[in-house]
Amino acid sequence: NAGVTQTPKFQVLKTGQSMTLQCAQDMNHNSMYWYRQDPGMGLRLIYYSASEGTTDKGEVPNGYNVSRLNKREFSLRLESAAPSQTSVYFCASTGRSNQPQHFGDGTRLSIL
Amino acid sequence: SQQGEEDPQALSIQEGENATMNCSYKTSINNLQWYRQNSGRGLVHLILIRSNEREKHSGRLRVTLDTSKKSSSLLITASRAADTASYFCATAGQGGSEKLVFGKGMKLTVNP
Repeated sequence: NAGVTQTPKFQVLKTGQSMTLQCAQDMNHNSMYWYRQDPGMGLRLIYYSASEGTTDKGEVPNGYNVSRLNKREFSLRLESAAPSQTSVYFCASTGRSNQPQHFGDGTRLSIL
Repeated sequence: SQQGEEDPQALSIQEGENATMNCSYKTSINNLQWYRQNSGRGLVHLILIRSNEREKHSGRLRVTLDTSKKSSSLLITASRAADTASYFCATAGQGGSEKLVFGKGMKLTVNP
């Protein structure tokens, strides 16, 4: 049982390049989330998808787009990467209300 | 914006001692969750406490919630070196989206 799988684990980009971060869960969860974690800042919500076919902005959505491809997969796209987007990105999922979120191991992204 | 604030921000103790971490938050919540993060890894869920609960236990972990003071505490008893990690509280607001707002985290070091 893999849980939440994120790819890639590491990536280095140049400013202006585009990239898609992939996330897949095998727990049949309805809701999926993308967070970024910066030193000393905890996790901040970028976008979330409460159910298949819906997406909504979180606290820090600027510069990102998302796609809920199906119930299992939720991708995060950087159209034109900026150094301020250097961070560790985490995907998470949950099934119902009052249930914990399950996290992937993260994607470490550096933008030069 | 950060909702929860952990206190202290860092704690260093000896193996066998108890560790207490506090979390304060600002708005009404549906539940409060505690997570652990080992260096370079994703977050692992520890305990979820609902807004109508006052205390929960899980093994060596005890969580309390005081909604009148908008605060929670996590107690780890008989700490072990393996408990060394960062700990985060996160709050889910009312409304059912299960969006989590994380605190900045607290670094616990347990010395053998």
